[in-house]
Amino acid sequence: DAKTTQPNSMESNEEEPVHLPCNHSTISGTDYIHWYRQLPSQGPEYVIHGLTSNVNNRMASLAIAEDRKSSTLILHRATLRDAAVYYCILRDWGGSNYKLTFGKGTLLTVNP
Amino acid sequence: EAQVTQNPRYLITVTGKKLTVTCSQNMNHEYMSWYRQDPGLGLRQIYYSMNVEVTDKGDVPEGYKVSRKEKRNFPLILESPSPNQTSLYFCASSLSTGRSPLHFGNGTRLTVT
Repeated sequence: DAKTTQPNSMESNEEEPVHLPCNHSTISGTDYIHWYRQLPSQGPEYVIHGLTSNVNNRMASLAIAEDRKSSTLILHRATLRDAAVYYCILRDWGGSNYKLTFGKGTLLTVNP
Repeated sequence: EAQVTQNPRYLITVTGKKLTVTCSQNMNHEYMSWYRQDPGLGLRQIYYSMNVEVTDKGDVPEGYKVSRKEKRNFPLILESPSPNQTSLYFCASSLSTGRSPLHFGNGTRLTVT
């Protein structure tokens, strides 16, 4: 199953943009790229997903490289409530493998 | 309200005493899965189910069992818990398409002494 690679941690200042990278060099043509975040003492929550084109929603933007081997989650103006662990995963529905690998994610610290 | 409900939230037990952690969803989702989360190891998948009576192993299935007799329920069974199964457990569900978001429960913190 395809894996993703993320930095262990990143730091940002409040009200500044944050770009969280994710590498997925073995992505297949039927993999969707999903991002989740986990606030302290909570279960993970969905942030955004995409296939090939860049995506925007009220929480964030997702920029996907043309070759799809990497993506970037963009928080346009970080707030203290955005401090969390962010996970990038691939969901493959083209074959019979439905295992999902979350890994350790990126711990985002937001400074006031 | 659409949700994934896990019970109990906290559980302390002793080695070898069988236990079940329940997971229920009210969104008619086909896909359900269990994860454990340990410090420094991130979220690791234990088992998943694509639909009723269809289950398969994730990355760390040893010591766990699951069943999917009804679409809404996906219990996690520890037949003989051991201290190394002390962890934070999450259940998740989604529709069975790659673009469908996963919905997670609030977690069950299990301590095995």
